[in-house]
Amino acid sequence: VELVESGGGLIQPGGSLRLSCAGSGFLVSSFDMSWVRQAPGKGLEWISVMYSGGDTYFADSVKGRFTISRDQSKNTQFLQMNNLKVEDTAVYFCARRRGGSDWYFDLWGRGTLVTVSS
Amino acid sequence: SSELTQGPAVSVALGQTVRITCQGDSLSRYYASWYQKRPGQAPLLVMYPKTNRPSGIPDRFSGSTSGNTASLTITGAQAEDEADYFCASRDTSGNYVVFGGGTKVTVL
Repeated sequence: VELVESGGGLIQPGGSLRLSCAGSGFLVSSFDMSWVRQAPGKGLEWISVMYSGGDTYFADSVKGRFTISRDQSKNTQFLQMNNLKVEDTAVYFCARRRGGSDWYFDLWGRGTLVTVSS
Repeated sequence: SSELTQGPAVSVALGQTVRITCQGDSLSRYYASWYQKRPGQAPLLVMYPKTNRPSGIPDRFSGSTSGNTASLTITGAQAEDEADYFCASRDTSGNYVVFGGGTKVTVL
């Protein structure tokens, strides 16, 4: 059971990038999945959730710029990042959300680095 | 949106006990989870609601909560426990998650 992120890299401000989160050992679409990022030297920042039913929510810092989709045939979720800013530079992790009323993340990928710089 | 406040750093002598606290309004409604983060590694869940340890996490890790404050205690800290620790909870809005700023634990 694991999650593997990919798609990070160096991108100029204003550019776009699509990150992938591939699951193995379980069905990604059966769980609520989140993206969490960590900027260099900073803490963890939650940025999004896609419920198993398809609804999505985003932190204010990325709302209107980031979207989420998934491909069940590939057991993969995607984070589409548009109009990237320097402050979006971070390692991006995908995580599986568990819990009913009280949420927690029991499975994490190793992350993929996104660097936004001119 | 909610905020969770953690102390920035704490040190503990090898084999001694250290407690990390996390305070915020959301904790009066939702229980916290705790994550260990080492450089270059994925975050690792070490405590989930309500003060439960995942399989594989040593029993020297324990959690508690009181009012709007959650705590993670390491009893008999080991060198491998040196890491950043983050608390998190569901936001009071219900559809977001908030993380604390993290506490760096140094084992002397």
